[in-house]
Amino acid sequence: DAGITQSPRHKVTETGTPVTLRCHQTENHRYMYWYRQDPGHGLRLIHYSYGVKDTDKGEVSDGYSVSRSKTEDFLLTLESATSSQTSVYFCAISESSGPNYGYTFGSGTRLTVV
Amino acid sequence: EDKVVQSPLSLVVHEGDTVTLNCSYEVTNFRSLLWYKQEKKAPTFLFMLTSSGIEKKSGRLSSILDKKELFSILNITATQTGDSAIYLCAVGKAGGTSYGKLTFGQGTILTVHP
Repeated sequence: DAGITQSPRHKVTETGTPVTLRCHQTENHRYMYWYRQDPGHGLRLIHYSYGVKDTDKGEVSDGYSVSRSKTEDFLLTLESATSSQTSVYFCAISESSGPNYGYTFGSGTRLTVV
Repeated sequence: EDKVVQSPLSLVVHEGDTVTLNCSYEVTNFRSLLWYKQEKKAPTFLFMLTSSGIEKKSGRLSSILDKKELFSILNITATQTGDSAIYLCAVGKAGGTSYGKLTFGQGTILTVHP
């Protein structure tokens, strides 16, 4: 999607290894989010950021950490990947104010932990 | 705990049929309800609803919110095969760092056969 890119698009990793997913935006939006999508669960919030160096946990944050050292980048790290973290990960951005604050999503990262 | 529940979870129809997708919610500090369509990749924004009883329309799609009964419906008339997708409902909250956080339902998988 224009203005937001995720990398890598696909990754296969081994159990116990650290993994970092990157979300990069060019829209200068204040808010950034990491979600995971699993069958039967919809999208579940992992972590989010409301500004540089300002982050908070979502509903499924265990085993994940994030960092945001500049406006355009939001990194998601799996400290020690487990098979339960096999999922599709979406990054999203939103404006800080205004009536239409619906998200813009990245194209997703499909992560497989073997 | 915030909760968003969609029904049905899956639906199979034929082209030309009309479908109604449901979304009920229980959240504190409700701000808005959003609908997204997800085909192969990232969810794309359809509607945002903030006021009860005001229908939003876009072509063959329409949606309405009932803040008293805490639900929304998404209607699709004269369905086409291109409407086949996962339809996601999400609720946004107001206030503080919750601003912009969305809680998603499980999604409804719609399949439209020719």
